[in-house]
Amino acid sequence: NAGVTQTPKFQVLKTGQSMTLQCAQDMNHNSMYWYRQDPGMGLRLIYYSASEGTTDKGEVPNGYNVSRLNKREFSLRLESAAPSQTSVYFCASSEPFRGGGFLETQYFGPGTRLLVL
Amino acid sequence: ILNVEQSPQSLHVQEGDSTNFTCSFPSSNFYALHWYRWETAKSPEALFVMTLNGDEKKKGRISATLNTKEGYSYLYIKGSQPEDSATYLCAFKDSSYKLIFGSGTRLLVRP
Repeated sequence: NAGVTQTPKFQVLKTGQSMTLQCAQDMNHNSMYWYRQDPGMGLRLIYYSASEGTTDKGEVPNGYNVSRLNKREFSLRLESAAPSQTSVYFCASSEPFRGGGFLETQYFGPGTRLLVL
Repeated sequence: ILNVEQSPQSLHVQEGDSTNFTCSFPSSNFYALHWYRWETAKSPEALFVMTLNGDEKKKGRISATLNTKEGYSYLYIKGSQPEDSATYLCAFKDSSYKLIFGSGTRLLVRP
């Protein structure tokens, strides 16, 4: 199993350009997440998808859109990149709830380092 | 806005020292508290998921305790080794699907 994969690993954009970050998981997880990580701050949730066909905003959704293409894939799109979106982006997925408990461990991808000039 | 605080921000210890760090989180609407270990240039990896007040978890030399009434969790590392060097993240889970992460404690263990 590859786990959670992300592409690209690194990207440089000019202000105003658009791009899509891809994420895929092969663990049959229902839930998927996009986070950004900035120096001195914890991982901040951008968007999440509790299950196929649903997406919801997280803590910092402005400037981003997402698509849950199918159970495996969850993409993050920057329509018009801004320097404030320079960050490291992590995708994660988690197991379905078991027995009503909230024991879902999140499994993270390797990250995409994005620089917006 | 939910706040998850971790202290200290960073810690340098000698090999063989035992160490501990703190995660503080809201004591209301608690569902779970996660600990993750994040090595440089890698992805965060789950260490523990804790759900019950008084919970204690152990994995090798690393253990964690949970106090949901007062809103804190401690992570302990006994006899630190250089390979323990990493950032340790805690994350609080409430009734939504979301984890709210602290900013982490960066541990450096000197040989």
